[in-house]
Amino acid sequence: GIQVEQSPPDLILQEGANSTLRCNFSDSVNNLQWFHQNPWGQLINLFYIPSGTKQNGRLSATTVATERYSLLYISSSQTTDSGVYFCAAVRSNDYKLSFGAGTTVTVRA
Amino acid sequence: EPEVTQTPSHQVTQMGQEVILRCVPISNHLYFYWYRQILGQKVEFLVSFYNNEISEKSEIFDDQFSVERPDGSNFTLKIRSTKLEDSAMYFCATLGTLRGYEQYFGPGTRLTVT
Repeated sequence: GIQVEQSPPDLILQEGANSTLRCNFSDSVNNLQWFHQNPWGQLINLFYIPSGTKQNGRLSATTVATERYSLLYISSSQTTDSGVYFCAAVRSNDYKLSFGAGTTVTVRA
Repeated sequence: EPEVTQTPSHQVTQMGQEVILRCVPISNHLYFYWYRQILGQKVEFLVSFYNNEISEKSEIFDDQFSVERPDGSNFTLKIRSTKLEDSAMYFCATLGTLRGYEQYFGPGTRLTVT
């Protein structure tokens, strides 16, 4: 599968702060997804974004496929944003997702 | 919006017992997957299933594991003789092709082997 690396591994934020999470991948992709894992362990799909930019409320994501990276932006962070954020990608001509190790975000009140 | 469902949400079993995890995919989706996440680790691919057969499997998916779609709706993962190291969260995912390659994940089954 494709190699997926996320940075930073851990992020501590004060409530209201903005942050950027990064995902690098090793090959061309036909799928790039961002997930948030909630306290119950469920993977909540945030974005399907193999290329371009999308926004959903305080979250937005950008994938630059030609340079093999994706960014997840969290603006005006809230304590409910805490958790692990995973990036996952599918290499072109493949169908299985390869996950990064995740970024653990802690938002303090 | 259609969603993938999984049952049970949590299963506790004794080492050596057989378990069956169930998934109901989104209707009209064609590709089905099982992924696994050991506590504190990243999510790993186990197996993909297309056209009623395994299309790809990982090294983790050894002879103790099997998958099937017994009735055209449910998609199951069977572990024949569970080991302590099988304790993990198991996610089912499905893929249709009308909206690109986005995979839709179920809520997961937390398996605890004692």
